[in-house]
Amino acid sequence: AQSVAQPEDQVNVAEGNPLTVKCTYSVSGNPYLFWYVQYPNRGLQFLLKYITGDNLVKGSYGFEAEFNKSQTSFHLKKPSALVSDSALYFCAADPGGFQKLVFGTGTRLLVSP
Amino acid sequence: NAGVTQTPKFQVLKTGQSMTLQCAQDMNHNSMYWYRQDPGMGLRLIYYSASEGTTDKGEVPNGYNVSRLNKREFSLRLESAAPSQTSVYFCASSEYAGANTGELFFGEGSRLTVL
Repeated sequence: AQSVAQPEDQVNVAEGNPLTVKCTYSVSGNPYLFWYVQYPNRGLQFLLKYITGDNLVKGSYGFEAEFNKSQTSFHLKKPSALVSDSALYFCAADPGGFQKLVFGTGTRLLVSP
Repeated sequence: NAGVTQTPKFQVLKTGQSMTLQCAQDMNHNSMYWYRQDPGMGLRLIYYSASEGTTDKGEVPNGYNVSRLNKREFSLRLESAAPSQTSVYFCASSEYAGANTGELFFGEGSRLTVL
């Protein structure tokens, strides 16, 4: 079965420090990969995607993600965290290119002042 | 520009009752989706519609029906609600269809409780 794993339920980081939110996938073929963010009582918002090409993808709000095919990972990163980055982050994979996304369980990011 | 609008935002049902969740998008998108979000399980696809007039099952379709009324609207119906359908439901839309992939635009969600 196709699956996306986010091994950490919560990531805590101090403001100004770099952050990493981990994601690995078990999906056949060459999937398209996404990161979404969800703020309280809101829908998900697109952050960035990897389709093909450069393994480092840049997205909204200073976030970037690194694709590693050999490790089947797509970790989300940001050089300097902000308190306002605190939210729930979802990694997702599209196995067939038809936008039937498979989502991970989500990682709560808490940035402390 | 409202984006994706879902109604109602909150609903409490008794077991066996029926209801319809409404979704409309004003971005002229081809594809529309219904997901449910449950704690510790992320989002799971219930049904999707790649284009007007077509619908297809996702990962968890049992107990649900959908209608793509026109290009703008995609409704989700629970014919006989069960406590296992207590969840937050999200509608989403996307500009692309077929083999192209674009980002999904989500509504703000509908919180459904089945007693």
